[in-house]
Amino acid sequence: DQQVKQNSPSLSVQEGRISILNCDYTNSMFDYFLWYKKYPAEGPTFLISISSIKDKNEDGRFTVFLNKSAKHLSLHIVPSQPGDSAVYFCAASRYIGYDKIIFGKGTRLHILP
Amino acid sequence: GAVVSQHPSRVICKSGTSVKIECRSLDFQATTMFWYRQFPKQSLMLMATSNEGSKATYEQGVEKDKFLINHASLTLSTLTVTSAHPEDSSFYICSARRQTGGDEQYFGPGTRLTVT
Repeated sequence: DQQVKQNSPSLSVQEGRISILNCDYTNSMFDYFLWYKKYPAEGPTFLISISSIKDKNEDGRFTVFLNKSAKHLSLHIVPSQPGDSAVYFCAASRYIGYDKIIFGKGTRLHILP
Repeated sequence: GAVVSQHPSRVICKSGTSVKIECRSLDFQATTMFWYRQFPKQSLMLMATSNEGSKATYEQGVEKDKFLINHASLTLSTLTVTSAHPEDSSFYICSARRQTGGDEQYFGPGTRLTVT
């Protein structure tokens, strides 16, 4: 039972354009959502998070939007840069600091020159 | 700061043998470390949570006698896969949370285990 779903295994975006990565979840107990970025041969690194009391969180080029009624979140990267090419994992937990984080399968983002 | 290392990065072992994977927090102390497993094209699945000086807490379906976890110090946790079988072949990745607070988990680069 996949509680966090990333339905697009890969995504290609032109450099300079907006990258939009989508994520859906099924567990209504989730209240805290995270995005991680992973390069080959490295561990995932934390990118940005959002609590369910917000619908938007922005950090530089990265913005995460949360639609709690639709159980959907998205990560927007504007403008996309070559260094953004990586695998992006959406993750969720019951609250900030809760040990168990549930990950999606990841979306591989390719930034095209 | 907040670097987590894993050793080895890759290991191949024969069926029936045991293999130990180390996870170290290099520049911080970690009260809690986590072990995940990722099968190809699947998500990272939490196997167990270990706290320094106490027994690990295993997720449902994870055999504690097969996956031995030791968290002997604030910078080191080990995962031993005992009597490994080919179905244990996977990518094992650890993470650590700082002792000094914060909620973020810092991940290691992972260990690719292949059991032949």
